[in-house]
Amino acid sequence: EVQLVESGGGLVQPGGSLRLSCAASGFTFSSYWMHWVRQAPGKGLVWVSRINSDGSIISYVDSVKGRFTISRDNAKNTLYLQMNSLRAEDTALYYCARGGTWEYWGQGTLVTVSS
Amino acid sequence: EIVLTQSPGTLSLSPGERATLSCRASRSVSSTYLAWYQQKPGQAPRLLIYGASSRATGIPDRFSGSGSGTDFTLTISRLEPEDFAVYYCQQYGSSPLTFGGGTKVEIK
Repeated sequence: EVQLVESGGGLVQPGGSLRLSCAASGFTFSSYWMHWVRQAPGKGLVWVSRINSDGSIISYVDSVKGRFTISRDNAKNTLYLQMNSLRAEDTALYYCARGGTWEYWGQGTLVTVSS
Repeated sequence: EIVLTQSPGTLSLSPGERATLSCRASRSVSSTYLAWYQQKPGQAPRLLIYGASSRATGIPDRFSGSGSGTDFTLTISRLEPEDFAVYYCQQYGSSPLTFGGGTKVEIK
């Protein structure tokens, strides 16, 4: 059974940092692109970042470029999102999702940026 | 950036009725990379349709997708009580990947 489990969310002050993790199981993690998608409270879905299977191709939405860094450890079957210089507008539920047909998503981890 | 505009914003229908949801792109999207999702409160998005018209695993055949280029449609042939939710389209062929703003299907 494919599982994606996010962790690392929490309450952080503006300007602070967090690192999100997404633990994958039930499939060959090293074969898939992986993505982060976020959803602010009561709002729609916004794609944040993606990384290819070996980590050599990465892209971001403009609003997080220079502040967020996506990475992966294929030996640990884990996807990461390092978030720096956090802003109030980064407050959201952050999902990881498996690329390809996008059939598999985690349940999300909540990031709240507030003083 | 490809902007996806979904309409209507809200669709008020009764169980048993047909729902037609629209997703219009600001420029052409490869059908291969157009998906539809259903999301209920407190849940992650659930993939319904990928490749514009292919149903995901376990999705009932009352859900169908169609379209090409800049105009795509999700049709629910007969609404069941569990179908009342928010629906999003997504294009994942061009970076940045983008989602539509969503259509809420509510009980009339």
